[in-house]
Amino acid sequence: NAGVTQTPKFQVLKTGQSMTLQCAQDMNHEYMSWYRQDPGMGLRLIHYSVGAGITDQGEVPNGYNVSRSTTEDFPLRLLSAAPSQTSVYFCASSRDTLHYGYTFGSGTRLTVV
Amino acid sequence: QQPVQSPQAVILREGEDAVINCSSSKALYSVHWYRQKHGEAPVFLMILLKGGEQKGHEKISASFNEKKQQSSLYLTASQLSYSGTYFCGTEPNNAGNMLTFGGGTRLMVKP
Repeated sequence: NAGVTQTPKFQVLKTGQSMTLQCAQDMNHEYMSWYRQDPGMGLRLIHYSVGAGITDQGEVPNGYNVSRSTTEDFPLRLLSAAPSQTSVYFCASSRDTLHYGYTFGSGTRLTVV
Repeated sequence: QQPVQSPQAVILREGEDAVINCSSSKALYSVHWYRQKHGEAPVFLMILLKGGEQKGHEKISASFNEKKQQSSLYLTASQLSYSGTYFCGTEPNNAGNMLTFGGGTRLMVKP
């Protein structure tokens, strides 16, 4: 099992550019989420999904879009990158966070200049 | 609203014990605990469901007081490998997949 795979691991963007962070899991988990972690801080929920075709906003959704066309994939799109979006982005999946823990991907370190 | 963790940081000697607290202003359905090593992803430790249960994981255990909306993580006879940042995550009642994390507690275990 690969678990949760995130690509790329590192990315530098210029202000105003757009890009998609990829996330795929092979555990048949229904629940998937995107978090961002700023230096020395906790994790903040960006968007989440409880199944294919269902997404919703978390604590800090502005500037990001998501879609969930399959159970396996949950890409995060940055619409117009800003320096404030410099962060480490983690994708996570779970069978059901009411009863099971998250498995996290290894993260994408994004720098916006 | 994010749960509040305390203390923010703690330094231990090997073999000493520590307690990390997590409190929320909202009613909770479950509480998660994770450990994150520097430069790595968080790793799931345990989940506690409402009902006031206590769970154990090697020398790391936790309790959940549903009435007080508080959880505590207990690390006994700490080892060097316990060093890292510990996060609690809380689920409000019946929300599902709305896990909100606290700011973290940085734990350093010294020889």
